Amino acid sequence: KAGVTQTPRYLIKTRGQQVTLSCSPISGHRSVSWYQQTPGQGLQFLFEYFSETQRNKGNFPGRFSGRQFSNSRSEMNVSTLELGDSALYLCASSLGDSNGYTFGSGTRLTVV
Amino acid sequence: GIQVEQSPPDLILQEGANSTLRCNFSDSVNNLQWFHQNPWGQLINLFYIPSGTKQNGRLSATTVATERYSLLYISSSQTTDSGVYFCAVGDTGRRALTFGSGTRLQVQP
Repeated sequence: KAGVTQTPRYLIKTRGQQVTLSCSPISGHRSVSWYQQTPGQGLQFLFEYFSETQRNKGNFPGRFSGRQFSNSRSEMNVSTLELGDSALYLCASSLGDSNGYTFGSGTRLTVV
Repeated sequence: GIQVEQSPPDLILQEGANSTLRCNFSDSVNNLQWFHQNPWGQLINLFYIPSGTKQNGRLSATTVATERYSLLYISSSQTTDSGVYFCAVGDTGRRALTFGSGTRLQVQP
């Protein structure tokens, strides 16, 4: 059974650009969540999608957005990149509210 | 929101030693997971344990939900156990995990 797949693994972008990250959940998992990990702030929740609907959003500016497609794959977008957006972005999928989350390998974004 | 505190923040062990990592949380939870983050950044799920006790090989975990804490036990530690261990909790309805700051474990040969 394939795990959670995130692409790309590494990304270098210039300040002011935008970036799109992709996440394919475990087959059958309809809930997809995104998290940001930085040395200073630790692991923080970005947003969660279920059946193409955003059900919850963390405390991040509007430059961070996401979406989920009918096949449960999800993308997150960060516009007008800032140096502080450099982080490891992790995606997780879950079978439902009473189940645990399985994380992907992450996308390491560096903004220069 | 829920506060999650992990202790100790750092732990250095000799190979073969046992250890206990603790996670305290501030409110009722319906989800609690322990993760091991490998050197490449991936969070490996160790236990989904909102209550009770589970064991998996040399690792075991206990959550006492009424007293709002969870413990992760590592027995006969190996160098491959090194890394950061995170406790994460979820509250009813929020559908999001709140992570602790982690325990950085270093197992020396």
